[in-house]
Amino acid sequence: EAQVTQNPRYLITVTGKKLTVTCSQNMNHEYMSWYRQDPGLGLRQIYYSMNVEVTDKGDVPEGYKVSRKEKRNFPLILESPSPNQTSLYFCASSLGGLAVYNEQFFGPGTRLTVL
Amino acid sequence: AQSVAQPEDQVNVAEGNPLTVKCTYSVSGNPYLFWYVQYPNRGLQFLLKYITGDNLVKGSYGFEAEFNKSQTSFHLKKPSALVSDSALYFCADTNAGKSTFGDGTTLTVKP
Repeated sequence: EAQVTQNPRYLITVTGKKLTVTCSQNMNHEYMSWYRQDPGLGLRQIYYSMNVEVTDKGDVPEGYKVSRKEKRNFPLILESPSPNQTSLYFCASSLGGLAVYNEQFFGPGTRLTVL
Repeated sequence: AQSVAQPEDQVNVAEGNPLTVKCTYSVSGNPYLFWYVQYPNRGLQFLLKYITGDNLVKGSYGFEAEFNKSQTSFHLKKPSALVSDSALYFCADTNAGKSTFGDGTTLTVKP
């Protein structure tokens, strides 16, 4: 089944404790992206990648890191999480590297709480 | 700079009535516009897109959207709403990898 998977689905952590949220897609998509969803703010793009070893900042990259060493994986790293990073996170992928001609496929989301 | 606006936080319609969820955009260059739907506790699902060509775009579940360049709008429509259409709807623009989403519109369809 074609899908985007994220792990963990739920995470409660404390301020400053490094964490990684994994994202994997099995559709051989060029493009991958991370978003956060907060009430009243819609989805905001954190980072995106148009191909392996190519990553770019979205609108809200502060406090996050990403890497794209393999086509299928795009982990999101929070080196020192803070309470304002409490949010619902979505990973997405799209066939083309620019993601303009093809829709994005979204993972199920990761709900992160930072105490 | 890209921006996408959904002027209504909430839209309420009766089952069987037509529905419209509004979206306006402001982008430099050509717009590449998408509509997504989010059901509770789920990820977003693609509904339809406008890349080029016909201004009326048809998508999944009977939804359609009309691209209007002069009004910079891309409103989502459905001729006859179902209770199961109740969800959160997002309009988005993507350009060279950068994606901008509206704040979302909650659609409630009442029996």
